[in-house]
Amino acid sequence: ETGVTQTPRHLVMGMTNKKSLKCEQHLGHNAMYWYKQSAKKPLELMFVYNFKEQTENNSVPSRFSPECPNSSHLFLHLHTLQPEDSALYLCASSRETGGYGYTFGSGTRLTVV
Amino acid sequence: KQEVTQIPAALSVPEGENLVLNCSFTDSAIYNLQWFRQDPGKGLTSLLLIQSSQREQTSGRLNASLDKSSGRSTLYIAASQPGDSATYLCAVSGETSGSRLTFGEGTQLTVNP
Repeated sequence: ETGVTQTPRHLVMGMTNKKSLKCEQHLGHNAMYWYKQSAKKPLELMFVYNFKEQTENNSVPSRFSPECPNSSHLFLHLHTLQPEDSALYLCASSRETGGYGYTFGSGTRLTVV
Repeated sequence: KQEVTQIPAALSVPEGENLVLNCSFTDSAIYNLQWFRQDPGKGLTSLLLIQSSQREQTSGRLNASLDKSSGRSTLYIAASQPGDSATYLCAVSGETSGSRLTFGEGTQLTVNP
């Protein structure tokens, strides 16, 4: 375990379902991130939270809705997804944004059917 | 816009060989550069973090160098082992977008026994 825990590890959902991904860290970090990793593509930043406030949204479609209730927890709420949204979703944290090393979770493998 | 390129895309070597993975980036205004390892279907494990003021970092059989002015980094793996087989990812954190890690597409390494 890296200190960043993601649940569930695997998720299969239909296009009309609503589900949530959860990320938790107890490293004392104040910044948390969602990244998407699709096959044959570099990791793409989705969202950045710093001290619970969203500081970056990388033009992510509204069917992905993040929530950060505190510096230790980050959620990604999913609804009406498309098959092309199938990917590995990775959560990461760092002490603060800018210039600090990142710690990644093991990811949630999402399949949209 | 920062772009990160990793060469080669794939590498297959016999056990015991020393090898070098290459990473280049287009914008030299970076905070740091981080090397990660990713096993199939898993999250990222941080290997080495080099701050922009540093030239290299070492951990066990791994040595990473950074030439910020030329936009290059190398990851040297000594005496490779089958357990080193994984995808190695290079990522940079920018001065002007410090929260954003920009990743390369990775080098898929196979070490044959």
